[in-house]
Parts: sequence; structure tokens; C-alpha cells
Amino acid sequence: DQQVKQNSPSLSVQEGRISILNCDYTNSMFDYFLWYKKYPAEGPTFLISISSIKDKNEDGRFTVFLNKSAKHLSLHIVPSQPGDSAVYFCAAASGSQGNLIFGKGTKLSVKP
Amino acid sequence: DTEVTQTPKHLVMGMTNKKSLKCEQHMGHRAMYWYKQKAKKPPELMFVYSYEKLSINESVPSRFSPECPNSSLLNLHLHALQPEDSALYLCASSQAGGSGIGYEQYFGPGTRLTVT
Repeated sequence: DQQVKQNSPSLSVQEGRISILNCDYTNSMFDYFLWYKKYPAEGPTFLISISSIKDKNEDGRFTVFLNKSAKHLSLHIVPSQPGDSAVYFCAAASGSQGNLIFGKGTKLSVKP
Repeated sequence: DTEVTQTPKHLVMGMTNKKSLKCEQHMGHRAMYWYKQKAKKPPELMFVYSYEKLSINESVPSRFSPECPNSSLLNLHLHALQPEDSALYLCASSQAGGSGIGYEQYFGPGTRLTVT
């Protein structure tokens, strides 16, 4: 059973517009959430994270929102740039273990 | 420096070969990880080392043998692999400990392994 779900395998956005990537989770013990970006043939690159005690964390063009009651988080990228085209993975962790549980990823394509 | 290095970048090995993958970090992290990633799938955790001791083994077959010689190095010894073991093998490191510390894992570029 998937504990972290990214239901959209792909997303296409025009350059300059907002990209919104969604992630749902089922395990209420998760207390830390992360987003990673991955280019082909490279390792995932850490983007941004959020603790369960917050509902928003912002870093430049990237903002992560957490809705604990809905067990849902989202990554907003604004404005989107062609260089943002990659696969984005949502990941979650709980205080009892340090290992990350990854979603299946969403492939973002930003069109010039 | 947030770099995790992995060698080799690519490896082709036969089913009877013995080879090793290497990973190195100099961020002072005391937790290191091995993941396996197949095409179009998320990374799957294999092993976790915390303070140079194996803390998690996700029921990985014994043909994969991890080793952590010191706090900066992590090896994965491979022996008698199967073609279905072909994948991208990723190493990661983080600070150790719970309570919101150490969850940011930094990944290396991976080793693309092909078993023939």
C-alpha cells in the first residue's frame, strides 16, 4: 500500500506561469515532508522541506504548503522556468525512523 | 559543500563477478543510505547506516553486502547478481537522529549498474 501518493504522473506548464505539484499521504505518523527534483541519469536534488508544525515554507520561487487535516501537501513553483523541467518526488519521514518514503514522482515540463 | 560522490558512474558486470560501489561525503553527516531506483520508479531504500552501524536493512538479498569503513565512506559489495538487479544505485547522507533533524538527505549522482 502506497503511503505517499503523487497521482499526476505528468504536468505541462507554460513558462512564467505557476506550477503546482500535489502529494497525498496516508500515514499520520509522518512529521516531515520533502520535495526532490531529479534530472535523468542524476541523483535526486533536495529542494525544500516542511515540518508538520508548519503549514507553509517558502524558498525563493518554491513554496510548499501542508494541509495536515487533509494529509495533503503541494509544491508551488512561480514563475516556472524551462530549467525546472524534471521529475519531482515528494517524500515523507516520521520521527521514529530517518528513512524517507518516496512518491512515484511527477514529470514537470515547462514550455518556453 | 553538499556533495556526495559515487564511483563508478557506470558498471557492467556478469552474474559471476564481484564488484563494489563506493560513496563518499565530507559534510560531517553520520547517517548514510543506499537506495535502488528502477526506471520510472521512486528510489527504494536498501540500507541505512547510523554512526557507522547498520540500522536498517530492508530485507535486501545477501548478494548485496554494505560496508561503512568510516563516517565518510559507504561501500556496497556485489556478488552473484541477477539481471533484474540492473538499476541506478543511489547513495545519500544526512545528519543522524530524529526530532526533525537529519531528514534532508543529499544524494549522489548514482551508479548505473547493468548485470549481464
